[in-house]
Amino acid sequence: ELKVEQNPLFLSMQEGKNYTIYCNYSTTSDRLYWYRQDPGKSLESLFVLLSNGAVKQEGRLMASLDTKARLSTLHITAAVHDLSATYFCAVDLMNYGGATNKLIFGTGTLLAVQP
Amino acid sequence: GAVVSQHPSRVICKSGTSVKIECRSLDFQATTMFWYRQFPKQSLMLMATSNEGSKATYEQGVEKDKFLINHASLTLSTLTVTSAHPEDSSFYICSASDLGGNYGYTFGSGTRLTVV
Repeated sequence: ELKVEQNPLFLSMQEGKNYTIYCNYSTTSDRLYWYRQDPGKSLESLFVLLSNGAVKQEGRLMASLDTKARLSTLHITAAVHDLSATYFCAVDLMNYGGATNKLIFGTGTLLAVQP
Repeated sequence: GAVVSQHPSRVICKSGTSVKIECRSLDFQATTMFWYRQFPKQSLMLMATSNEGSKATYEQGVEKDKFLINHASLTLSTLTVTSAHPEDSSFYICSASDLGGNYGYTFGSGTRLTVV
């Protein structure tokens, strides 16, 4: 059974600080997604990482993927209050043996950026 | 970009009744659709996967007779919660993907179901 674990589950940080959220998964996959969810809302796509060593950056967020270690990171640089949300990684369970791909979500990280 | 429309956004129903949630892909053909459930302060849990014209594949522990999924066309999937009970109250989110993976996974806006 695929497990996707994030840590920390809750992160309170001050504006201007840096921090990293980790996403570990238990099976082979070359594709990983990061999403943001605001309270009461659906998901906003942040990054799609499609291969080992992939790194993508958008504003104060940078995501990377190490498929050999089965690890993805989401790094926050100089946090601002607007980044407060819940962040999910999601692993694409690849199409092995004719089965349809499907996306399995991590446990989520609730980020609270304090002014 | 790809858009998935989900309706209704909120629904309140009485215990024992059934509720239907619709998920439409507006500008691409969704060969596969996914239904997730999310309880407060928890992650998204995949309930089932459906391919157009085929029966849905349910995840372990999800009652297929309670959560009826229909994917009759390449642009529409529905989830019907039958004989709803308060414990079915949750946030339901659909997602759609196309055969070539050109649009990745596109998510609907979610449906907040409250059973009273």
